[in-house]
Amino acid sequence: QQPVQSPQAVILREGEDAVINCSSSKALYSVHWYRQKHGEAPVFLMILLKGGEQKGHEKISASFNEKKQQSSLYLTASQLSYSGTYFCGTEKGSGNTGKLIFGQGTTLQVKP
Amino acid sequence: DAGVIQSPRHEVTEMGQEVTLRCKPISGHNSLFWYRQTMMRGLELLIYFNNNVPIDDSGMPEDRFSAKMPNASFSTLKIQPSEPRDSAVYFCASSRGPHSYEQYFGPGTRLTVT
Repeated sequence: QQPVQSPQAVILREGEDAVINCSSSKALYSVHWYRQKHGEAPVFLMILLKGGEQKGHEKISASFNEKKQQSSLYLTASQLSYSGTYFCGTEKGSGNTGKLIFGQGTTLQVKP
Repeated sequence: DAGVIQSPRHEVTEMGQEVTLRCKPISGHNSLFWYRQTMMRGLELLIYFNNNVPIDDSGMPEDRFSAKMPNASFSTLKIQPSEPRDSAVYFCASSRGPHSYEQYFGPGTRLTVT
């Protein structure tokens, strides 16, 4: 039931791009993305809802393919501040549970 | 806005002792979530409340864990008796509603049970 994230880890140079994927075996209502820096709490990045609505407040984009039950997070022109562990959290198909199941995380390291 | 407040930030206790973790959500938020994070199991939802009412506690590991939310500005997570396998970082998060709203996480409580 836990969504699967890929890759598990990625190392980039500043300015390079990265894609993080999240896939589920269950029908999804929404996908949430969070970033956690070492020793800190997870911080909200974006929500993607069934039907195409997106809510987010950072210069990071994402997509949600409902049919494939997959989401991808696109990090373009990466900055040092992008380093951290990225988690996707999935909300099941009915959309009224409030229950997020988080993936195992993708560790991103951006080097100068 | 002060954000979600958790206390204590660190707790070291001996096996068998009672542990109480505290959380103050962001004012005006109607939903509160308790998570546990470990290297082995990742970030797990333990329980969540909507308007102070527990909605889903299916993630609570066993009867040793209990959570309460007596009012809109305070929640506790209690472990009695504690065991070494309970060692983890416990996060409290709040949001404006139970679903499809961003969750704001507190700084976490790092619990070590020896």
